[in-house]
Amino acid sequence: QSVLTQPPSVSGAPGQRVTISCSGSSSNIGAGYDVHWYQQLPGAAPKLLIYDDTKRPSGVPDRFSGSKSGTSASLAITGLQAEDEADYYCQSYDSSLRGNVVFGGGTRLTVL
Amino acid sequence: EVQLVESGGGLVQPGGSLRLSCAASGFTFNNYAMHWVRQAPGKGLEWVSDISWNGDNRDYADSVKGRFTIFRENAKNSLYLQMNNLRPEDTAVYYCAIPGLYSAWGQGTLVTVTS
Repeated sequence: QSVLTQPPSVSGAPGQRVTISCSGSSSNIGAGYDVHWYQQLPGAAPKLLIYDDTKRPSGVPDRFSGSKSGTSASLAITGLQAEDEADYYCQSYDSSLRGNVVFGGGTRLTVL
Repeated sequence: EVQLVESGGGLVQPGGSLRLSCAASGFTFNNYAMHWVRQAPGKGLEWVSDISWNGDNRDYADSVKGRFTIFRENAKNSLYLQMNNLRPEDTAVYYCAIPGLYSAWGQGTLVTVTS
């Protein structure tokens, strides 16, 4: 059971908008810790998609956006494309755990 | 270009040992805490261990504490994970990583624990 809770799967048609939620608690997201989002394509290492809740590394399309409120965060993807089909993970920090780094369980995005 | 290259994975019997290595390049290695993150087949990411920039502070997930040891050699730009008393549930791809803002991940090395 992951500390951060994500839906196992989401899906959408090309061109549509999807959101992926990441639910935490008062010891992690709710404590104000930054949330980062990663995209993992099959057989590849995770790639940073969003950092510090809302910021995009250079090279990441502005179709990807992040938000945070209270004890939850969300990743939104607009103008869905076939190449967006991947696993997505949120990551934050938790003051009650060793090492602090915590991940969500991951969400598989299927482009219909 | 930032690069992290893991090595040392393989097939090992339960109770056995392996040492993973991670060679870093393209950045000032001794400026960063380093982490090991693993991913069991078909499963999500799991933080395993981390070590401070100078090696003075180390932390471990409960699932590996007492069996795994993380260490680094800054002069060699290298990170290591000594894994002892391996269990089948340790089977995973192990990533050397810097999570978060300065994100960097290796390609991973597969550890398979089976009899």
